[in-house]
Amino acid sequence: NAGVMQNPRHLVRRRGQEARLRCSPMKGHSHVYWYRQLPEEGLKFMVYLQKENIIDESGMPKERFSAEFPKEGPSILRIQQVVRGDSAAYFCASSGRDYYEQFFGPGTRLTVL
Amino acid sequence: DQQVKQNSPSLSVQEGRISILNCDYTNSMFDYFLWYKKYPAEGPTFLISISSIKDKNEDGRFTVFLNKSAKHLSLHIVPSQPGDSAVYFCAASEINAGKSTFGDGTTLTVKP
Repeated sequence: NAGVMQNPRHLVRRRGQEARLRCSPMKGHSHVYWYRQLPEEGLKFMVYLQKENIIDESGMPKERFSAEFPKEGPSILRIQQVVRGDSAAYFCASSGRDYYEQFFGPGTRLTVL
Repeated sequence: DQQVKQNSPSLSVQEGRISILNCDYTNSMFDYFLWYKKYPAEGPTFLISISSIKDKNEDGRFTVFLNKSAKHLSLHIVPSQPGDSAVYFCAASEINAGKSTFGDGTTLTVKP
């Protein structure tokens, strides 16, 4: 499967724990985007990364959230000290140089108890 | 301030008829517009797009119309099929920005 891979598909955490969401872009893609979807809402942009660089993090909450896209390995979205309001579906997308054409992964559904 | 709006949360049409999904935007810097289709528990799937230099783009049963002066775009599906039942998201991008701004989606139900 050459599509965008995300894991885990479902993640349950208790308040105060850490959540790590992984995204492997499509083969040949070096641009990764993270979006969050709250219930009954659209996808909200969080962060745009290229290999080893954060290009745009204007949608990322200032505290507890961080993202990386290392030279080797998947992109990681990390949420520290999770709260109930972090419960959402987190989608990763990737693109080549034509960033308009973004391909989405299946998402990780985070539930905070 | 929501820059991309889909004012109809849901739409129901009969199989074989036309489905028209609407989207309005406020940011005049948007230069590329996309429609995505999403099934439950899956990621959005790209459907069709249009550049701001065009006013129409057609791909099979799907046509997107762009009215820049009204800051409005629409997706026409004809004829509609039950398999088209899904949530449709309108999205917009600014030149060189990378990120896409999404509307809240319209749930389309096509009845057999």
